[in-house]
Amino acid sequence: AQKVTQAQTEISVVEKEDVTLDCVYETRDTTYYLFWYKQPPSGELVFLIRRNSFDEQNEISGRYSWNFQKSTSSFNFTITASQVVDSAVYFCALFMNRDDKIIFGKGTRLHILP
Amino acid sequence: DAGVIQSPRHEVTEMGQEVTLRCKPISGHNSLFWYRQTMMRGLELLIYFNNNVPIDDSGMPEDRFSAKMPNASFSTLKIQPSEPRDSAVYFCASSEGRDRESGANVLTFGAGSRLTVL
Repeated sequence: AQKVTQAQTEISVVEKEDVTLDCVYETRDTTYYLFWYKQPPSGELVFLIRRNSFDEQNEISGRYSWNFQKSTSSFNFTITASQVVDSAVYFCALFMNRDDKIIFGKGTRLHILP
Repeated sequence: DAGVIQSPRHEVTEMGQEVTLRCKPISGHNSLFWYRQTMMRGLELLIYFNNNVPIDDSGMPEDRFSAKMPNASFSTLKIQPSEPRDSAVYFCASSEGRDRESGANVLTFGAGSRLTVL
């Protein structure tokens, strides 16, 4: 079965702390893509990153970094030196070539406290 | 580009009424998706189209839901009759479609239509 699990429903951290959002996926496909989207309080869904299953290189973009490990089927997202503007719901998603559609995890609501 | 445009942004209606949600995808995108977001179930894929043709509607909850895409620039999601449990935010998203070489393309989402059925 294809599935995306974000075990952390809600996280609160104080501003400037680092925080990691976990994502574990299940798929039988060998070719697939993983995504992270951000949903700020305004409600729109904003694309953050896409990673294909053949590229296990970690990626860093400013304060954001992603750790992809096929051995544990995880694609975790870390925010370094968090800011209040990072407060949002973050979704991990999986696209499988065979099914031709994207499924989302339930999301992690992140609160950055001033 | 104006992005994916959805209307209405908010809709409040009474149980039993027909609801029509509209979506204009990004010009040039040939795949269109309808998602529903609720607290309990998160983001669920309802249906998606490729080149105006419905490809997978297995996520449509029941016969009260229907979706059409009469042309490349317009899609509707209709609920008839509506029920309180249909209350949710409905998102439309579009992408350039799947290319077997480039793989999955990024979805661009609209701002959503918040539906409340009383």
